Amino acid sequence: QVQLQESGPGLVKPSQTLSLTCAVSGGSISSGAYYWNWVRQPAGKGLEWIGRFYTSGSSNYNPSLKSRVTISVDTSKNNFSLKLTSVTAADTAVYYCARGISGPLELWGRGTLVTVSS
Amino acid sequence: DIQMTQSPSTLSASVGDRVTITCRASQSVSSWLAWYQQKPGKAPKLLVYRASSLESGVPSRFSGSGSETEFTLTISSLQPDDFATYYCQQYNTYLYTFGQGTKLEIK
Repeated sequence: QVQLQESGPGLVKPSQTLSLTCAVSGGSISSGAYYWNWVRQPAGKGLEWIGRFYTSGSSNYNPSLKSRVTISVDTSKNNFSLKLTSVTAADTAVYYCARGISGPLELWGRGTLVTVSS
Repeated sequence: DIQMTQSPSTLSASVGDRVTITCRASQSVSSWLAWYQQKPGKAPKLLVYRASSLESGVPSRFSGSGSETEFTLTISSLQPDDFATYYCQQYNTYLYTFGQGTKLEIK
């Protein structure tokens, strides 16, 4: 069955760029009409949708982060990535990758904690 | 943005109880509403989509209802495994938004 696994640095310095990758195993990232999403959750808080990439090539981002976020897909490596620039302590959170067909997110990775600190 | 407000924020209940969690949207989301369960240290798990459709493998004691701006998630008979935090999510617009969560605690 398809599984998602996030990876990337657990510690990022303020003003630098947070870069995470979500590896898709057990299936092709190109198959099916899926949206590939990133969601984050600060410690003890709720969920915040960051953005999504559709297999057709289109993408949508949360306006609150839009100027700093890029989500891309690498079909050759069967993964998709998140880049968040100019990070601050407010970007410290568990970051999840997730797959959805149109809106509900039916498959999630385990999440990875990213701390922004000098 | 469409704001999602859940109530209550915390709910104390006992095994076997019937519980209902409410989610209200700041504007109509039609039936484009999902519910998730999240346990500590784990990713959210999809329970219900399109307001009332049960995700495959989810026990039938879970049910969702509602439309437009008011939705409910009901657990008909609480089991020990159900104590967790529950979130609603609207996907009527591409800007998905979540409720703040309802923590279901053991009384």
